[in-house]
Amino acid sequence: LAKTTQPISMDSYEGQEVNITCSHNNIATNDYITWYQQFPSQGPRFIIQGYKTKVTNEVASLFIPADRKSSTLSLPRVSLSDTAVYYCLVGDRRGDDKIIFGKGTRLHILP
Amino acid sequence: GAGVSQTPSNKVTEKGKYVELRCDPISGHTALYWYRQSLGQGPEFLIYFQGTGAADDSGLPNDRFFAVRPEGSVSTLKIQRTERGDSAVYLCASSPWTGGGTGELFFGEGSRLTVL
Repeated sequence: LAKTTQPISMDSYEGQEVNITCSHNNIATNDYITWYQQFPSQGPRFIIQGYKTKVTNEVASLFIPADRKSSTLSLPRVSLSDTAVYYCLVGDRRGDDKIIFGKGTRLHILP
Repeated sequence: GAGVSQTPSNKVTEKGKYVELRCDPISGHTALYWYRQSLGQGPEFLIYFQGTGAADDSGLPNDRFFAVRPEGSVSTLKIQRTERGDSAVYLCASSPWTGGGTGELFFGEGSRLTVL
């Protein structure tokens, strides 16, 4: 399983764009990059997934360079409600392997 | 129900007691995962099922922990002779694993276990 490394914590202000970078040097050819968000007292929630280049949905964008050894989750114009822990995961989608979470990045949005 | 349901939401027990935690996944989801989360840590993988069988139980910390999913739907995590170190939030997640799609995990809100 490819290991991921992401910052332990980040602070930002309301209205700013926040970028959280994840390193995954040993990513395999079949692996996808998936990000989850977790609020206190709740289970993690899927945000976005990508394989290469850029993916955008109503919540976030995911940027993946050509070598796929890292990825960046971009949250546009954050609000206080975006304060949460964000997890970067790497794995295939065939359903034949366990899904491992790291420690995540604790994002704190300030007013 | 519409989402993953876990019961009880809170369980307080005494050291040495036996505990069962139940997970009711989203209907039709074939994969079911159990995780344990301590304060300030990410979810720690325990076991996952594909249908009725445990596909990978390598995360179970010791033989006091056991999980079943007899009919391929509801799962029960069983902890024998509980210890104070077992105190954590136990999260369950399910996934459709249809061979396409994102493989997204849908989590319940967890069962908070406190061992006194």
